[in-house]
Amino acid sequence: AQTVTQSQPEMSVQEAETVTLSCTYDTSESDYYLFWYKQPPSRQMILVIRQEAYKQQNATENRFSVNFQKAAKSFSLKISDSQLGDAAMYFCAYWAFEITSGTYKYIFGTGTRLKVLA
Amino acid sequence: DTEVTQTPKHLVMGMTNKKSLKCEQHMGHRAMYWYKQKAKKPPELMFVYSYEKLSINESVPSRFSPECPNSSLLNLHLHALQPEDSALYLCASSQVEGAGYGYTFGSGTRLTVV
Repeated sequence: AQTVTQSQPEMSVQEAETVTLSCTYDTSESDYYLFWYKQPPSRQMILVIRQEAYKQQNATENRFSVNFQKAAKSFSLKISDSQLGDAAMYFCAYWAFEITSGTYKYIFGTGTRLKVLA
Repeated sequence: DTEVTQTPKHLVMGMTNKKSLKCEQHMGHRAMYWYKQKAKKPPELMFVYSYEKLSINESVPSRFSPECPNSSLLNLHLHALQPEDSALYLCASSQVEGAGYGYTFGSGTRLTVV
């Protein structure tokens, strides 16, 4: 069964510094998608970045980038030049279509709360 | 319009009340979802609608009743809820069901059952 693990319940970073949030997953599928979502106190889940497993190149969105290690099943999020507005809960998520069952799975990790210190 | 709008933002209801949560999107997305999220937990899938038809019901109790009147609107009707049903209810949409595009979420309805 697929699982998504975020081993850091909480992280802190100084404003303007860089922080990396970790995510590991387990799957037997070869084709899947990975996501990072941000949920600030306003509650809305916001899609930060998306990675397609068959793409070797790591996805980047402005200050957000990922380190995707397919063999290690690792998908970490790096936030550069951290800003106060980055403070939020960050969820790693996995999506795949299972050919054997004809269904898809969308699994969220347990989240990492990021605090940004002024 | 790139938003999913949920109303109301907050709702307090008694265990004998009937209420409804509303979700609306005008992005042309044909899949819409209801999630339940407890504090400090990831969201849990409740229902999926694809092209206005119920596609997935994750064994949700019958006191929760979803409805999709049209491609832009998704309702969740609540009746005889329990205090443990208190949570944040999130609506989401995607272009189609079963594709790895990622979801657009609303800001949720914070439900308190007293």
